[in-house]
Amino acid sequence: GDSVTQMEGPVTLSEEAFLTINCTYTATGYPSLFWYVQYPGEGLQLLLKATKADDKGSNKGFEATYRKETTSFHLEKGSVQVSDSAVYFCALSKTGNQFYFGTGTSLTVIP
Amino acid sequence: DAGVTQSPTHLIKTRGQQVTLRCSPKSGHDTVSWYQQALGQGPQFIFQYYEEEERQRGNFPDRFSGHQFPNYSSELNVNALLLGDSALYLCASSLDPGLGFRGTFFGQGTRLTVV
Repeated sequence: GDSVTQMEGPVTLSEEAFLTINCTYTATGYPSLFWYVQYPGEGLQLLLKATKADDKGSNKGFEATYRKETTSFHLEKGSVQVSDSAVYFCALSKTGNQFYFGTGTSLTVIP
Repeated sequence: DAGVTQSPTHLIKTRGQQVTLRCSPKSGHDTVSWYQQALGQGPQFIFQYYEEEERQRGNFPDRFSGHQFPNYSSELNVNALLLGDSALYLCASSLDPGLGFRGTFFGQGTRLTVV
């Protein structure tokens, strides 16, 4: 079945460090791929998405490229801030009816 | 626009009891989905409602049931609560995905603790 595997955390970085969170997926057909962010005590917020192969999603300095050949959608940011501390979820959906989420990666950025 | 609103925000129940969680979708959205997020895990799809009917269901027992009202709001009911039902329950709303992906928005969730 469809599934998402993402890098386990927790991840701790110093401010201005480079961030990569790995995500790979398994799916039939042509899913759309997403990164969601969850701040403490809150629900999920869409960070970025890509709907077809080679698309790059970007938002707030975060980027991820839909790589069909490697079935990956790795999240990157060139310079993290303390305010980026949160849990990040990679997800896929084929129709928008159902999302499959990874287990989440906790990021802590220290000043 | 208030976005997706869920109530209550927190709830404590005893094993064996029943619970009802509520969700109001984002204005203009007609489709509501429910997810269970256990501590330290990603959200798991429970079911989706569209036009007041359950359209799709994940791998959850019949103790989990739902309802959608004519104004598109929705309820999630869980009967015979187990300790393992303790989780954050997330509601997500969207415009009928059959019309093409137009964005799914999540509420803040209801934290259910079963003791």
